[in-house]
Amino acid sequence: GQQLNQSPQSMFIQEGEDVSMNCTSSSIFNTWLWYKQDPGEGPVLLIALYKAGELTSNGRLTAQFGITRKDSFLNISASIPSDVGIYFCAGQGPFGKLVFGKGMKLTVNP
Amino acid sequence: NAGVTQTPKFRILKIGQSMTLQCAQDMNHNYMYWYRQDPGMGLKLIYYSVGAGITDKGEVPNGYNVSRSTTEDFPLRLELAAPSQTSVYFCASNPYGTEIALSGNTIYFGEGSWLTVV
Repeated sequence: GQQLNQSPQSMFIQEGEDVSMNCTSSSIFNTWLWYKQDPGEGPVLLIALYKAGELTSNGRLTAQFGITRKDSFLNISASIPSDVGIYFCAGQGPFGKLVFGKGMKLTVNP
Repeated sequence: NAGVTQTPKFRILKIGQSMTLQCAQDMNHNYMYWYRQDPGMGLKLIYYSVGAGITDKGEVPNGYNVSRSTTEDFPLRLELAAPSQTSVYFCASNPYGTEIALSGNTIYFGEGSWLTVV
């Protein structure tokens, strides 16, 4: 089935550093979403992207929707300990169905 | 608003047993979904529904069945549970498909159901 290639799979950073992650797909999506998941919880939406080339910010988070509609990246600036978690990209297809990447596990050392 | 409510939160099943995971939403959403998440992986779509009486398979439907007799409820049934069905199950709802912009902002996930088959 469809799959998104998300990289890197994990990152270990120091508090205050920036981190970037990206997602690519062999298929076109009209909407890209970025989620964060804490242990034992469901995914929480961070940013939604609706237009090719769109650059959107949400506080310390910045995400871009690739021009080809087959990729997206997420950047977190000035990381803090509560940024720890697993970050997922997702492409939204027909009927609102989501295709998820495998996730990136972020560890922030204080 | 309660949002999307899933029950049970945790369940242990023996191989071959059957059970139903319940999902209810009180937002009058047309679109509902069941996803499963295996360890270290992203969520994968099991089944979805675009309205009462209409359901369709997702990426990983084998071993599951669904029904949508009302707008509010979307139960997921496991027949003859197998160890491969050990996973975390998430129900989600959305008032729109992708026919309307900003639909990505309106997806609501339940809190998850942890299922272990032994």
